Amino acid sequence: NAGVTQTPKFQVLKTGQSMTLQCAQDMNHNSMYWYRQDPGMGLRLIYYSASEGTTDKGEVPNGYNVSRLNKREFSLRLESAAPSQTSVYFCASSAFPTGANVLTFGAGSRLTVL
Amino acid sequence: DQQVKQNSPSLSVQEGRISILNCDYTNSMFDYFLWYKKYPAEGPTFLISISSIKDKNEDGRFTVFLNKSAKHLSLHIVPSQPGDSAVYFCAASWGGNDMRFGAGTRLTVKP
Repeated sequence: NAGVTQTPKFQVLKTGQSMTLQCAQDMNHNSMYWYRQDPGMGLRLIYYSASEGTTDKGEVPNGYNVSRLNKREFSLRLESAAPSQTSVYFCASSAFPTGANVLTFGAGSRLTVL
Repeated sequence: DQQVKQNSPSLSVQEGRISILNCDYTNSMFDYFLWYKKYPAEGPTFLISISSIKDKNEDGRFTVFLNKSAKHLSLHIVPSQPGDSAVYFCAASWGGNDMRFGAGTRLTVKP
């Protein structure tokens, strides 16, 4: 009963380093999302993927790239990390459009950029 | 441009009383509204939703009210329990995938 699994849970990077956050869901959901959570800002959408092979920008896409590798997996890449990207990142999935647009979230990945 | 706003960062209520969490939105195109609950070190979990064609939806102790003319929705929890202490996020979407969230309200229910 895994739901949405994110790795890693914690990561510390130096400015300019790159890294990829991995996300996988086992609910056969069509849509997948990446959000970041910052104090006082709530959850802000970075990118989403409505189906395998498609991706779209959200509110705050700058500095990030994504890949929808297959129906299960959606990765988020930081090519050159900046301190402003210090945040908690959440991956989510939903059955939309074949089901309700209700997001199931992973437990989060806390990223610190020094 | 924050299209979904939760203006109260925190709320404290006594166990057994009603908790009312408020949310305002600016985009009149939103047609689906949700509340999520978040405990520390966990991801948000879905609580209750409402479509724009309704003005009320109930699920046990939780009721969501939607006032489209005021672009306002609220979550009522009756009676409040200590286990309800969490951060509550309001969210809204239209046409599908682009779901926007508010900044959250931290609810504390005191025994």
